[in-house]
Amino acid sequence: GENVEQHPSTLSVQEGDSAVIKCTYSDSASNYFPWYKQELGKGPQLIIDIRSNVGEKKDQRIAVTLNKTAKHFSLHITETQPEDSAVYFCAASAYSGGYQKVTFGTGTKLQVIP
Amino acid sequence: EPEVTQTPSHQVTQMGQEVILRCVPISNHLYFYWYRQILGQKVEFLVSFYNNEISEKSEIFDDQFSVERPDGSNFTLKIRSTKLEDSAMYFCASSERAGGYGYTFGSGTRLTVV
Repeated sequence: GENVEQHPSTLSVQEGDSAVIKCTYSDSASNYFPWYKQELGKGPQLIIDIRSNVGEKKDQRIAVTLNKTAKHFSLHITETQPEDSAVYFCAASAYSGGYQKVTFGTGTKLQVIP
Repeated sequence: EPEVTQTPSHQVTQMGQEVILRCVPISNHLYFYWYRQILGQKVEFLVSFYNNEISEKSEIFDDQFSVERPDGSNFTLKIRSTKLEDSAMYFCASSERAGGYGYTFGSGTRLTVV
């Protein structure tokens, strides 16, 4: 089955700096890669996603890149703000057994220091 | 913005007791899911549900677990005889399409088995 590795597990940055979170996946059939932000006491919230036919996608201060050959994808947050502090999960989705299944990474706790 | 609603937010139960966790997915969504997150760990897939039947289930989803869509709005997860290791946050999610596209998660139910 799919295995998604995520690094780092914790990340502290100064407000205004950039943050980068990296993930790798194992199943070459994976074709959809969402990123979720989880604030304390809440469920994961989709913040951006990318499909396998695209190498990069940007939405304001957030961007994702995908390298299918190397099977890794990254989340980039620029000009970080304190409200960006949360746990971020990457995920990979592949078609398996008649259904497209989502596998999550282990999460990165991002702390933005004012 | 449409939400996935979960009740209760926190449930404490004695080991061996049955619990039912309830979810109201987004009304026009057709695919429903349960995920589990043990404290500090990653989000793990339990089960997916479409067209009134289970599409896929993980190894975690053994005979102690069952899901049901008793009416047009609710989606429930039942654990027949809870164990200490069932203590976790349980998240319901729904999507319009299969494949993890556009998942919306609920805020979760924290289950504590004592």
